[in-house]
Amino acid sequence: EPEVTQTPSHQVTQMGQEVILRCVPISNHLYFYWYRQILGQKVEFLVSFYNNEISEKSEIFDDQFSVERPDGSNFTLKIRSTKLEDSAMYFCASRDPGDEQFFGPGTRLTVL
Amino acid sequence: GQQLNQSPQSMFIQEGEDVSMNCTSSSIFNTWLWYKQDPGEGPVLLIALYKAGELTSNGRLTAQFGITRKDSFLNISASIPSDVGIYFCAGRDGGYQKVTFGIGTKLQVIP
Repeated sequence: EPEVTQTPSHQVTQMGQEVILRCVPISNHLYFYWYRQILGQKVEFLVSFYNNEISEKSEIFDDQFSVERPDGSNFTLKIRSTKLEDSAMYFCASRDPGDEQFFGPGTRLTVL
Repeated sequence: GQQLNQSPQSMFIQEGEDVSMNCTSSSIFNTWLWYKQDPGEGPVLLIALYKAGELTSNGRLTAQFGITRKDSFLNISASIPSDVGIYFCAGRDGGYQKVTFGIGTKLQVIP
C-alpha cells in the first residue's frame, strides 16, 4: 500500500541553525500538508500546499518557516533559524482530491 | 480558532470491555474524523463521517456524526491489547482543507 515517507526520523540541531525536513508524498497526490505535535499535545496544522503554492497557513507558520516542492516527488519544510520551542514531531500529509489526508510517520526535531 | 474538546483524556480498561470517547466543538464541522496514533508514528485514519447523524462502523469501531454537527463519538467494542494508543477526534471544514485535532484520548488496555 502506498504511504507517505519522511526523513530523517530524528533531527537534532542547535538553536539558530537551519533545518530542512523532507517528505515524499504518495505519488499521485496533489495536496500536501505539514503539521506539528509538541510532546504530549495535540497535532496542529502548519501549512497546506497545492499547485506549487501555499493555500493556507496557521499563525504558527511565521517567516521562519517555508515549504517547497523542489521536484516531482519531494515536499520540504524549512525552518530558517530554529528556536527551542520548535522542538516537536513534524508530520507531513498528502491527499488525493476526494479523499482524506494520509500522514507520514513524522520527524522528531530536537533543538538544543 | 476552532476548539475541539475531547474526553476522557485517558482511560484504563480491561481487555474485552467496550470503550466510548467523545468530542465536542465550539463550531460546526462539515466532516468529523477519528484517528489513532501509536507511539512514534503518525495519525492513522480510522473513520470518516460526512453527514450529520451518520453512524459508521469499521470492524469493532463505531462512530457517529452528531446531529448538531458540533460533536462526535467513537465506540470500540470488545477491546484487545492492540487497541492501545492515542485516539484523536478531528474536524475538517469543506474544501478538504486543514484538519483540526482534539487533544486526544490515551487508551490503555489491561490484559
